[in-house]
Parts: sequence; C-alpha cells; structure tokens
Amino acid sequence: DIQVTQSPSTLSASVGDRVTITCRASQSISSWLAWFQQKPGKAPKLLIYKASSLESGVPSRFSGSGSGTEFTLTISSLQPDDFATYYCQQYNSYPWTFGQGTKVEIK
Amino acid sequence: EVQLVESGGGLVQPGGSLRLSCAASGFTFSTYGMNWVRQAPGKGLEWISYISSSSSTIYYADSVKGRFTISRDNAKNSLYLQMNSLRDEDTAVYYCARGRGLGATPCGYWGQGTLVTVSS
Repeated sequence: DIQVTQSPSTLSASVGDRVTITCRASQSISSWLAWFQQKPGKAPKLLIYKASSLESGVPSRFSGSGSGTEFTLTISSLQPDDFATYYCQQYNSYPWTFGQGTKVEIK
Repeated sequence: EVQLVESGGGLVQPGGSLRLSCAASGFTFSTYGMNWVRQAPGKGLEWISYISSSSSTIYYADSVKGRFTISRDNAKNSLYLQMNSLRDEDTAVYYCARGRGLGATPCGYWGQGTLVTVSS
C-alpha cells in the first residue's frame, strides 16, 4: 500500500499569511493526488485534484503543486474561512490513502 | 444538484452487523463509481471501499476486507455497505462519496455522514 505523510500536523497562522502544507508519498504516484478541506462536523470538500487542478468554485488563493512523491498545498493569503483541517489523498492505486491531516489554527 | 443521503447508522454491539444505505439524486447514478469513507471520532479520514458504476470492480481497505461488503442498486439509485463482525475500532462517521468525474476519480461529492457506534 502507498503511505502518505503530511506535514505539519498543526499550523498556527494569521489572516493574510501564506501557508504551505506538504504531502509525501511512499512511492511515485505521478500527479494522482487530491487535497481536501474539512471543517468540524462537516463532510470534506475537494479543493485540488490531479495535484494542481483547482476544483470548480474553489477560490484561486488555493493552489497545488508537485509530482512523483512530493506535493504541496499553498494558500496564498489565509482568510478567516480557511481555518480548518486539510488532507491530502493519493488515488494512484487502491487502497486509496489519506494523509494524517493538517489543522490550520488561528495564531 | 448532486445529493447523497446516508442512513442506517446507530449503536451496535461488537460482533454485530449493520447495513448502511446511501440514496443518490441529482445525477445519473448508474454512470459513476462510488465510495465509502469513514472518520473515527477526532481522527482522520479513511477510505474503505470503492464500487464501479456497473459493480464489476470493487476494492476494500485491508481494515475491512472480509467483513464489509459494498454493493449498489442502480435501479434504486442507492449504494450500500453491509458491515459484519463489527469491532470497537469501526466506530466512526461513515460517508458516501461520488467521484468528481467518471471512473476512479477523487471524491467530489459527499453525503452528510451517518454515525456508527460499536459498543457493548
């Protein structure tokens, strides 16, 4: 199975900050990586697919990059609505696997 | 509008069984692969099963293989998860999720989730 490791597990930031979250796969997954945002008590929301493609309706301050084994999610200017937990997920091969999550907290 | 509504969760004793359902609407259910994803209280997301549009391809996470069975009824626009031999560690919110596109694509649409609690 492909392991996916996310870092950091928690991130404290202020409104307006540039935020970067990293995801590493245990083997190459090409660009088959997605990023999700989840708020407490809610279902996850797809932000990015195929490593860098922005899902429809997602603000352009979110961007994804990377390929192979190393990927990043960047929020260019953190907004109050962005405080949430973020997960990466590989869908290169089954079983699909998620990273452990990164909680973005208010500094 | 795509809608996915899960039902069937509840309290069950260890070793027991439960069947979850997911009612789909707002899209042509028979053309999309579907998934179950769960989240234990205070923990991260865990993908547990996928079924293709025609039910010809099915995958499971190792943690549920041999105990859970995914199925679908395209005539009823419904997805199911039969859960047997339940364990304490199966306690979680279970989400039904549809791929964002055709085939095995990441989950772009999610239900609200149904809570399964395994406890004596």
